[in-house]
Amino acid sequence: AQSVTQPDIHITVSEGASLELRCNYSYGATPYLFWYVQSPGQGLQLLLKYFSGDTLVQGIKGFEAEFKRSQSSFNLRKPSVHWSDAAEYFCAVSSYGQNFVFGPGTRLSVLP
Amino acid sequence: DGGITQSPKYLFRKEGQNVTLSCEQNLNHDAMYWYRQDPGQGLRLIYYSQIVNDFQKGDIAEGYSVSREKKESFPLTVTSAQKNPTAFYLCAGMRRSYGYTFGSGTRLTVV
Repeated sequence: AQSVTQPDIHITVSEGASLELRCNYSYGATPYLFWYVQSPGQGLQLLLKYFSGDTLVQGIKGFEAEFKRSQSSFNLRKPSVHWSDAAEYFCAVSSYGQNFVFGPGTRLSVLP
Repeated sequence: DGGITQSPKYLFRKEGQNVTLSCEQNLNHDAMYWYRQDPGQGLRLIYYSQIVNDFQKGDIAEGYSVSREKKESFPLTVTSAQKNPTAFYLCAGMRRSYGYTFGSGTRLTVV
């Protein structure tokens, strides 16, 4: 069965600092991988996705993620965090675009 | 603009009442989903539908019902059998080549 872990429940960074949110998955084949962001009281917005090809994918809002098959990871990164990035971030995995499994989420706080 | 529209944004339910949450889409997605979100528990799948007039139970379907009479609409009814309905409910449409598009959610509170 597919599963997704996000080891960090809550991360706090200072504005302008770099960010890396971790995501590990368990899946037998090459998965479809996604990162979503959720602001308080809102729905989830797609940041980026990986289906195949270049393992470094660029997303919206200056985010990128790297697929590492050997580590079963799909970590999300941003070189310089803005206060508006404070939100909850969800990693998700699916098999060929079906049967999505979401991670538990990582809450990001940004210090001024 | 295309999207998923959920209404109302806030809903209050008295004990023993059924309430219906609306979800409409104009993205032409075949597949639609309902998730429940509680603090610290991520997203849990309630029901999903891959075609009109067909739907499947998710992980926490007890106390909920859905219908899919037309492609654009996937309403969720929270019945009186759902003992702890206070939560944030998210509807989503899905296309394999893109992933999910979520609505902005409905917050249901029991009063």
